[in-house]
Amino acid sequence: AQTVTQSQPEMSVQEAETVTLSCTYDTSENNYYLFWYKQPPSRQMILVIRQEAYKQQNATENRFSVNFQKAAKSFSLKISDSQLGDTAMYFCAFMKGRGGSNYKLTFGKGTLLTVNP
Amino acid sequence: DGGITQSPKYLFRKEGQNVTLSCEQNLNHDAMYWYRQDPGQGLRLIYYSQIVNDFQKGDIAEGYSVSREKKESFPLTVTSAQKNPTAFYLCASSERQGRTEAFFGQGTRLTVV
Repeated sequence: AQTVTQSQPEMSVQEAETVTLSCTYDTSENNYYLFWYKQPPSRQMILVIRQEAYKQQNATENRFSVNFQKAAKSFSLKISDSQLGDTAMYFCAFMKGRGGSNYKLTFGKGTLLTVNP
Repeated sequence: DGGITQSPKYLFRKEGQNVTLSCEQNLNHDAMYWYRQDPGQGLRLIYYSQIVNDFQKGDIAEGYSVSREKKESFPLTVTSAQKNPTAFYLCASSERQGRTEAFFGQGTRLTVV
């Protein structure tokens, strides 16, 4: 079974600074997808970024980027130029890739990020 | 606009009563999911379905039941066998081909008194 671990329950950062959230996962699969979701106080889940395991290049979306280390099974999220609106719970998630019959989407326990003015 | 609709947003029930949470999507997604969210526990998978008339247990299926009679709908019933049903419930859907990320509804807060 796949597991996703987020070792930082809470983090804080000053506005305009950079912060990195950690995520590790455990799987025997070679083909899979990784995601970071954001859950602001409204509790609406919003996709931040996704990474296909077969791609060596790290995904980026504006101020958000990942450091994907497949051998180490690590998938950290870097937020640059932090903004007050980035304050939210951040979840790392894993899904097995195509070719299998299992589309189970597994989440970590989350990291609560607070951006301070 | 396409999306996922969960209803109601807040739900109150007496202990011992079954209750059904609604989840409807018009995204033409094959896969649908139900998660339970408790403080400090992240999102825990209750049930998921990859196709109509088929579903699988997740990590915490005891005390819950689902059906998938239509592609658009994946209702969740919280039965009286669920020992601690008060929680925030999230429904999600995703495609089986192409784009893989899941899209979420706005959630239902269930309180059992």
